[in-house]
Amino acid sequence: DSGVTQTPKHLITATGQRVTLRCSPRSGDLSVYWYQQSLDQGLQFLIQYYNGEERAKGNILERFSAQQFPDLHSELNLSSLELGDSALYFCASSGLAVPYNEQFFGPGTRLTVL
Amino acid sequence: KNEVEQSPQNLTAQEGEFITINCSYSVGISALHWLQQHPGGGIVSLFMLSSGKKKHGRLIATINIQEKHSSLHITASHPRDSAVYICAVSNTGNQFYFGTGTSLTVIP
Repeated sequence: DSGVTQTPKHLITATGQRVTLRCSPRSGDLSVYWYQQSLDQGLQFLIQYYNGEERAKGNILERFSAQQFPDLHSELNLSSLELGDSALYFCASSGLAVPYNEQFFGPGTRLTVL
Repeated sequence: KNEVEQSPQNLTAQEGEFITINCSYSVGISALHWLQQHPGGGIVSLFMLSSGKKKHGRLIATINIQEKHSSLHITASHPRDSAVYICAVSNTGNQFYFGTGTSLTVIP
């Protein structure tokens, strides 16, 4: 158990809908990363937050947004969902903002868009 | 062109064999990460290194910054090592790039 929690575990929804994925980092970790893992694209970095502020942006679509709240949990919002958004979404946390810090991964949320 | 290339894509080994997975990257990095993903989907960070060599149990990771290459070695492989091993690099801009993974199966 990494100490990172993600909810829900599974999510099935329809095209055009909007969903919110939630991540709680390990106790004491200030940095949260979001990743998408799909069959055709593999793992991709989406976005990083550190202590409530956006720190780095990767291949995140404009239809997706994220935020980190004062209690340090983070939410990833996916809107106008398309079939291609079906994937595993992982969050990870680390103690520091810098990329050379070990990350601890959550169990992931499996999103299926029908 | 992928920023991170891994080889081989698939690997089958007999229990006890010495295993090597290779990773080459084309971007400047601040660190290289080796991740393990089990069939259930969970991801575990095995190593993070920016130079030299690290060892943890039967796992050894090395990196050659000049050649932009890293290797992950597993000594005395065991069926429980069966997983997908993913190489990732991070740069000073906090961007992360991932290899496509190496699927390892260790047969008893």
